[in-house]
Amino acid sequence: DVKVTQSSRYLVKRTGEKVFLECVQDMDHENMFWYRQDPGLGLRLIYFSYDVKMKEKGDIPEGYSVSREKKERFSLILESASTNQTSMYLCASSRGQGTDATNEKLFFGSGTQLSVL
Amino acid sequence: GESVGLHLPTLSVQEGDNSIINCAYSNSASDYFIWYKQESGKGPQFIIDIRSNMDKRQGQRVTVLLNKTVKHLSLQIAATQPGDSAVYFCADLSVQGAQKLVFGQGTRLTINP
Repeated sequence: DVKVTQSSRYLVKRTGEKVFLECVQDMDHENMFWYRQDPGLGLRLIYFSYDVKMKEKGDIPEGYSVSREKKERFSLILESASTNQTSMYLCASSRGQGTDATNEKLFFGSGTQLSVL
Repeated sequence: GESVGLHLPTLSVQEGDNSIINCAYSNSASDYFIWYKQESGKGPQFIIDIRSNMDKRQGQRVTVLLNKTVKHLSLQIAATQPGDSAVYFCADLSVQGAQKLVFGQGTRLTINP
């Protein structure tokens, strides 16, 4: 089975801190994604990556950046954390490659609940 | 813009009954659909998927039905168990588009003993 591992289950940070959320997948997937999940707003895509050193903005990239130096690792960075970034952050990966739609099936990590005080 | 939505935000069923969770989508070009289950404190887990060239697909205790005419997707869970309590999300994708899954808001399924 695909395993997507997020380094922290819970994080508490202060306003203005720089925050790193780490994600590792073990199935050699091409694509990796960062979402945030908030009550009433569902899953919203922050950034995604189709290849090493490649990144694309999702629907809500403001206040975030990402890094993908290795294929298996995708990091989400909050340059200066703010209280409105308190949320559940979910990392996901998909096989990608080719045009078969099933290659886009997402496998999710367990999530990181971030609280910014 | 395209959107994937759900008819009901919450659903309560008796243990042992069948559950039906509905989803409407707006993108007529969508050709792949997925149902996810998210238990409290966990990330979404894949349940079942279906391509647009099918109208029904069955898994273990779950069935997905696709009606492309009215752009409607449903998830049926047979003999609902306490472990089925979760939020269920539908998602769709068009291989002609950005190839990113679009998620619905989710339906919370509660099982009554």
